[in-house]
Amino acid sequence: EAGVAQSPRYKIIEKRQSVAFWCNPISGHATLYWYQQILGQGPKLLIQFQNNGVVDDSQLPKDRFSAERLKGVDSTLKIQPAKLEDSAVYLCASSHITGVSTTGELFFGEGSRLTVL
Amino acid sequence: GQSLEQPSEVTAVEGAIVQINCTYQTSGFYGLSWYQQHDGGAPTFLSYNGLDGLEETGRFSSFLSRSDSYGYLLLQELQMKDSASYFCAVRDQENYGQNFVFGPGTRLSVLP
Repeated sequence: EAGVAQSPRYKIIEKRQSVAFWCNPISGHATLYWYQQILGQGPKLLIQFQNNGVVDDSQLPKDRFSAERLKGVDSTLKIQPAKLEDSAVYLCASSHITGVSTTGELFFGEGSRLTVL
Repeated sequence: GQSLEQPSEVTAVEGAIVQINCTYQTSGFYGLSWYQQHDGGAPTFLSYNGLDGLEETGRFSSFLSRSDSYGYLLLQELQMKDSASYFCAVRDQENYGQNFVFGPGTRLSVLP
């Protein structure tokens, strides 16, 4: 079974520039998450999709961050304009959780490491 | 809201046993997960406790006490490859039980 694919793995940009990250979840996984992980910290949820609908974007800085999941499969996360504090690893995860009795396992991609200069 | 606490660092020697604790505050608690993350790598799932008690998977075990809002990950027969960061994550009732909030992580260093 192929895992969660993300690209690019690394990106360096100047502040105020824009950047986009792409994620392809595991086939059949309805739920997709974008997490931001700052060095030395735990992953912080930015946005959660159920199929192609947004379930939770309460922690997404909507003045600069946007995300979409077309056709309920691939997803893109965009930052425009970037700030220095956006330097982090952006992790995409997917799950096929069908009920509370399931294990609740998230499958993560390798992440996209963003450096903003 | 939710909050989780873990020790920031733990050091142990090869072959030893180490316990990483996690305390949490949340409403509508469903369960506690544990993830391992090597430097530069993806978090990988280790275990999940939906009910009180101990879950064992090979050298790793995880424990949950819902009444104490507390859990731990127990790593036995430590190996050098176990050096990594370990995160607990609370699963709560928000977003149809698919909301996961991660703790700050515990960095484990295994010495020879």
